Amino acid sequence: GAVVSQHPSRVICKSGTSVKIECRSLDFQATTMFWYRQFPKQSLMLMATSNEGSKATYEQGVEKDKFLINHASLTLSTLTVTSAHPEDSSFYICSAEGGWVSGANVLTFGAGSRLTVL
Amino acid sequence: AQSVTQLGSHVSVSEGALVLLRCNYSSSVPPYLFWYVQYPNQGLQLLLKYTSAATLVKGINGFEAEFKKSETSFHLTKPSAHMSDAAEYFCAVSDLTQGGSEKLVFGKGTKLTVNP
Repeated sequence: GAVVSQHPSRVICKSGTSVKIECRSLDFQATTMFWYRQFPKQSLMLMATSNEGSKATYEQGVEKDKFLINHASLTLSTLTVTSAHPEDSSFYICSAEGGWVSGANVLTFGAGSRLTVL
Repeated sequence: AQSVTQLGSHVSVSEGALVLLRCNYSSSVPPYLFWYVQYPNQGLQLLLKYTSAATLVKGINGFEAEFKKSETSFHLTKPSAHMSDAAEYFCAVSDLTQGGSEKLVFGKGTKLTVNP
């Protein structure tokens, strides 16, 4: 089946530094990928929709300059948290559109990346 | 905007007992509904999905869910719980992003504990 790989799975960084998280579709091409953020004991909140070859579409309230998304190829999307602060510490999960089944999108999720900002 | 409400952030059952995880949705149009499972420090795995075909949807690992329009519900059930079912379960409904493409809106999740 479809597999999405996220790297790194865990990252610890100092406040003020930037961190890049990669999301790769390993055995299929994904024109659209989604980036979610999950707070402890909370649901997943969609941050942005990443479209190959074009600018990402951000959800309301998500800072575009803070969370840079690049979808340079059909198998890779990256999320860069710029000038990270402790409040950016969270679990970031990407998902990729793997096609349509019975009229609904089938999303494959990565295993997530836990960011801790000291 | 579409939304889902999961009743009960924690559910505890004994091994072999019925599992019932509740989900109610709010949708202005016929929805697509999903249940996902998340194991610790892992991403989400699709259990099952409803896409306006049969109202009773069978998924993986023995789970099923029934779409009830009159109750705006999509509860997840399993006749007999296994220890391996212990995880967090998310109900989700499809919605549109700011850019007009389709996205999933998730409930807050229900953590299932299975006692021996």
